[in-house]
Amino acid sequence: DTGVSQDPRHKITKRGQNVTFRCDPISEHNRLYWYRQTLGQGPEFLTYFQNEAQLEKSRLLSDRFSAERPKGSFSTLEIQRTEQGDSAMYLCASSFNPRQGTYNEQFFGPGTRLTVL
Amino acid sequence: GENVEQHPSTLSVQEGDSAVIKCTYSDSASNYFPWYKQELGKGPQLIIDIRSNVGEKKDQRIAVTLNKTAKHFSLHITETQPEDSAVYFCAASKGGGTGANSKLTFGKGITLSVRP
Repeated sequence: DTGVSQDPRHKITKRGQNVTFRCDPISEHNRLYWYRQTLGQGPEFLTYFQNEAQLEKSRLLSDRFSAERPKGSFSTLEIQRTEQGDSAMYLCASSFNPRQGTYNEQFFGPGTRLTVL
Repeated sequence: GENVEQHPSTLSVQEGDSAVIKCTYSDSASNYFPWYKQELGKGPQLIIDIRSNVGEKKDQRIAVTLNKTAKHFSLHITETQPEDSAVYFCAASKGGGTGANSKLTFGKGITLSVRP
């Protein structure tokens, strides 16, 4: 399967614990995005990477959240001191933007569903 | 920032009928408009998209139209089938450019039900 993969698919944790999610983008996609989706809503942008550089973070991404893409391939999203309000589906998407003026088709992974008790 | 609104929030059609889902956007600089289908427990799946230099695009039973002046775009599904039942999201982006953030701003989604 050459699509975007995410691990784990489900995570249940207690409030105050730290969690880490992983995303493997489509091979050779230089852009990687993280979104968060709550019940009944569309995905909301959190942050994105172009290769290994994190270029923008949403105001939704508090200082308890950190994301990395160390070698420009897979990415991790860590949430420290989880709160019940962090319960959501965390989606990863990737795209290929080779040069100025190209449009991005973003392909999403299956998501990681986080439940904070 | 960009605001995307989607309406109606639910739509029920008889199998074989057509379904139309409408979205409006607020930022005239947006130039890329994808539609995603999301089934329960899965990530959004890109089904069709349109760039701002095109007014209409069709792919088999699915078509999308864009009116830049009015800042709205619509998804048309003909000959609906039960497997078309899902949540559909529209989105907008200022796509393009190696340095530009092409983040997608999504609508809230519409639940389409196709009755057999």
